[in-house]
This record gives sequence, C-alpha cells and structure tokens, in this order.
Amino acid sequence: KNEVEQSPQNLTAQEGEFITINCSYSVGISALHWLQQHPGGGIVSLFMLSSGKKKHGRLIATINIQEKHSSLHITASHPRDSAVYICAVSNTGNQFYFGTGTSLTVIP
Amino acid sequence: DGGITQSPKYLFRKEGQNVTLSCEQNLNHDAMYWYRQDPGQGLRLIYYSQIVNDFQKGDIAEGYSVSREKKESFPLTVTSAQKNPTAFYLCASSLSLFEKLFFGSGTQLSVL
Repeated sequence: KNEVEQSPQNLTAQEGEFITINCSYSVGISALHWLQQHPGGGIVSLFMLSSGKKKHGRLIATINIQEKHSSLHITASHPRDSAVYICAVSNTGNQFYFGTGTSLTVIP
Repeated sequence: DGGITQSPKYLFRKEGQNVTLSCEQNLNHDAMYWYRQDPGQGLRLIYYSQIVNDFQKGDIAEGYSVSREKKESFPLTVTSAQKNPTAFYLCASSLSLFEKLFFGSGTQLSVL
C-alpha cells in the first residue's frame, strides 16, 4: 500500500469548471506539499501546508490532519492548468512520500 | 534568477557505460536530492545530501553514485550496474532537509 494515495488518476474538465483533486496519506506528517508538473517535466511547488487552508490565485489547498486528507481546488479552470498534480508528504522521520499524480486536462 | 539547472535534457547510454547527470543550484540551499520518475509511479529517492561532503542513500541507490564537493553542485552518475536506467531524473534542493522543494527541469535518460 502506498503511503500517499491520490484521486482521481485522470481528470478532464471544461474550461471554467471547478476542480478538486484529493490526497489521503497514512503516515504521520510534518507537512503536505502540492506540486505541479507540466508536460516539459519540470516540477513547481504550489503549496506547503501543515494545517488549515492556503490560497494562491485560483488555487486553494486544504488539509484535515485528523482525517489525514488534503484537497487541491482549482476555481475557474483554464487550459493552462493542464498538468500533473502531485501530492507529497514530509514526515517526522525526515522522508518524503509522493503520490503517483493526477493528470488534469482542461478543454477550451 | 535563482534556480536549479539540470543538464543535459536528454541523455543516451550505451551498454556498460557510466553517464553523469549534472545538477547546479544558486539558491544557497544546503540540501539537495536526486529522484527517479517512472511512468505510473511516484518519485523515488536515489540519494540526498544535507551538507557539503556528506550524502545518504535513498530508497533506490543501487547502481548510482553521487558527490557533493561544492554546495552548488550535486552530480549523479548512473553506473553500468544499474540494469534498468531508462527513466526521468529530477534534481531538487531545499533550504534545509525535507523542507519546501525546488526542482530542476529534469533529464530523460534512455538506453541505446
């Protein structure tokens, strides 16, 4: 069993739709990270959070520590949001665990 | 601009050959990492380094070697002992160990 599970694996949305990607984890964590990987391969860190909620532009990340669950929301989705979104956790043992990613395609 | 530079973007390895992937950062980060990415799998840690002249094996270190002679540089050598080297390799750094990661643009390694 993977320490980090993401759903869905693949997601197709129409431009303008509200999108939610979910992440569940099974280890104790010091922080949870949401990453974005574009087709070229480079990865950008979107959020690092250990409690509550963070917002950056049209992106919102939430975490529920008790339920070991996080969500990444994209409001008013745009084709440029098309990418693979990866959930990762850093735990108290100083390790990173990565989910397998959610591939998002936003259609104009 | 500060960032992480990986080179080359594409690399081909012949049987029995060692190849070295370059990773340079000018973010003044202490920690650096090498990850391997295969289709359908999460990133897997190969090696990481917390400070200069020190590095630790990750989950899949066999067939790989690294050095950390300078703070800015963390090259990865894929040796001939690595029998399945075809993958996408990502270098990352963070201010301190296992803090927010900054990634390079990756190197795609293929076997001829």
